Amino acid sequence: DTEVTQTPKHLVMGMTNKKSLKCEQHMGHRAMYWYKQKAKKPPELMFVYSYEKLSINESVPSRFSPECPNSSLLNLHLHALQPEDSALYLCASSQVVTSGYTFGSGTRLTVV
Amino acid sequence: AQKITQTQPGMFVQEKEAVTLDCTYDTSDQSYGLFWYKQPSSGEMIFLIYQGSYDEQNATEGRYSLNFQKARKSANLVISASQLGDSAMYFCAMRVQGDFGNEKLTFGTGTRLTIIP
Repeated sequence: DTEVTQTPKHLVMGMTNKKSLKCEQHMGHRAMYWYKQKAKKPPELMFVYSYEKLSINESVPSRFSPECPNSSLLNLHLHALQPEDSALYLCASSQVVTSGYTFGSGTRLTVV
Repeated sequence: AQKITQTQPGMFVQEKEAVTLDCTYDTSDQSYGLFWYKQPSSGEMIFLIYQGSYDEQNATEGRYSLNFQKARKSANLVISASQLGDSAMYFCAMRVQGDFGNEKLTFGTGTRLTIIP
């Protein structure tokens, strides 16, 4: 079992819906990440939460908004998404400076 | 600019044979980390092996080894005695300083490996 837990595993939502993706880790890692992966493409970084500071990839549309309630949780709020936002969303965590990046099993999002 | 290049979009290998997946990288940083991940069709990114830029020995993890040639900026993954379960997408990745002030993992385009019985 992965040590980074993502829920839900699958999500289908309409363009007017509001939903949230959840990511949780209990490894004491100080950095958490959201990646977006389109089919047959590598993951692309969306957000980084590191040492209690949130950093945003400026190319990510505002319809995606991250939230970090505590150092173990990193949520991704979705609102008014477009069909092209359909993708696999991967959460990861790491101990900054050292080697390990642990990924969750991902959420497959379909926007209809 | 940091960049990871994987030149093999797909590979077909006979079961039990060894396979080498190519990866070259470009960075001006002296300190960096190189990773290989396996992604089966289920989507999960599975960590395979890590090599730090200052590590003098090539990393090994079971059937996986990383052929690190620093001067050539290459970090090829070698899988010995391939198995049917090795069929997946393989990504080479590098830990770099991000554009927005944090470390991040940047990925190559991946190689789809298919093991033939």
